Amino acid sequence: GENVEQHPSTLSVQEGDSAVIKCTYSDSASNYFPWYKQELGKGPQLIIDIRSNVGEKKDQRIAVTLNKTAKHFSLHITETQPEDSAVYFCAANEGGGADGLTFGKGTHLIIQP
Amino acid sequence: DAGVIQSPRHEVTEMGQEVTLRCKPISGHDYLFWYRQTMMRGLELLIYFNNNVPIDDSGMPEDRFSAKMPNASFSTLKIQPSEPRDSAVYFCASGGAGTINYGYTFGSGTRLTVV
Repeated sequence: GENVEQHPSTLSVQEGDSAVIKCTYSDSASNYFPWYKQELGKGPQLIIDIRSNVGEKKDQRIAVTLNKTAKHFSLHITETQPEDSAVYFCAANEGGGADGLTFGKGTHLIIQP
Repeated sequence: DAGVIQSPRHEVTEMGQEVTLRCKPISGHDYLFWYRQTMMRGLELLIYFNNNVPIDDSGMPEDRFSAKMPNASFSTLKIQPSEPRDSAVYFCASGGAGTINYGYTFGSGTRLTVV
């Protein structure tokens, strides 16, 4: 099955700086890579996703890059703000047409004022 | 839309008791997923349904766990008998046709504590 590794587990950045979270996956058949943000006491919320036919996608301050050859993808947050503090999860779908997502272990992003 | 609705939000039960968690997916979504979240293991897929039919239950930890989806608007996850190691946050999520096109929407979760 799919295996997703996520780094770092904790990331502390100064407000206004950029944050980068990296993930690797094992199943070369995976073709969908979403990112979720989880705030305390809430369920994960989809913030951006990318499919294997593109290498980069951007939505305002958030961008995701994908390198299918190396089987890794990254989340980039620019001009970080206090409300960006949360746990971020990367995920990859199961290859072969299955619909389940395998999640990374999460990154606790802390924005220092 | 009210989103994915889970109940109860918190459940505290004694070891050996039966626990039933409930989920109402977003109307029109034909995929429903049950996940478990713990500090040690992160988010784990337990089972998912497509059009009310269980598709993959390979993540269900053991026979004490069972899930049903009697109709398109309701699903349950049952643990009988419950054990302290079942303590976790259980999430339900739903997705539209071709989940990879729409992603999932998660509920707020049920925090289960088994004492």
